[in-house]
Amino acid sequence: EVQLVQSGAEVKKPGESLKISCKGSGYSFTSYWIGWVRQMPGKGLEWMGIIYPADSDTRYSPSFQGQVTISADKSISTAYLQWSSLKASDTAIYYCARHYGSGSYNSPLGYWGQGTLVTVSS
Amino acid sequence: EIVLTQSPGTLSLSPGERATLSCRASQSVSSNYLAWYQQKPGQAPRLLIYGASSRATGIPDRFSGSGSGTDFTLTINRLEPEDLAVYYCQQYGGSPRTFGQGTKVEIK
Repeated sequence: EVQLVQSGAEVKKPGESLKISCKGSGYSFTSYWIGWVRQMPGKGLEWMGIIYPADSDTRYSPSFQGQVTISADKSISTAYLQWSSLKASDTAIYYCARHYGSGSYNSPLGYWGQGTLVTVSS
Repeated sequence: EIVLTQSPGTLSLSPGERATLSCRASQSVSSNYLAWYQQKPGQAPRLLIYGASSRATGIPDRFSGSGSGTDFTLTINRLEPEDLAVYYCQQYGGSPRTFGQGTKVEIK
């Protein structure tokens, strides 16, 4: 069974750094792109970027380029999303999701993690 | 960037009725790389349809997708109370990938 298990909720202050994780299991971690999606409170879905764990090829949405860093450690089947300096506007649920098709860059998001709530408040 | 516009914003229907959701793209979606997702309250999204018309694994045949180019439709036949959710379209042929703003389906 494919599973993506994300790290727990975080409460941070503006200016702090943060790294959240997404551990994949039940499939070949290096064979599928993994993406990150933001959902601000009461709002819709925003595609942030994706990474191919086999070679760490990473693509970002221009809206998030330079604001976050996506990475992966294939040795422990885990993808990451990190911020160096959080803002209040980063408050949201962040989902990781695996591509539906193996190796394909053009693929929908077929399997989703449970989401990580990040709250940034002074 | 491809902008996806979904309509209507909210759809209120009775059990057993048919729901028709629209997704219009600002430019042609490459190879009909268009997906639909269902997000129930408090849950992560779930893939329903990909390639505009192919159902994902385990999705009941009450859900169907159609369309090409810039105009796409998700149809939900025989609505059930459990279909209460927000439905999003997403294109995955252009960069960056983009989502529509969502259509909320309410069950009367």
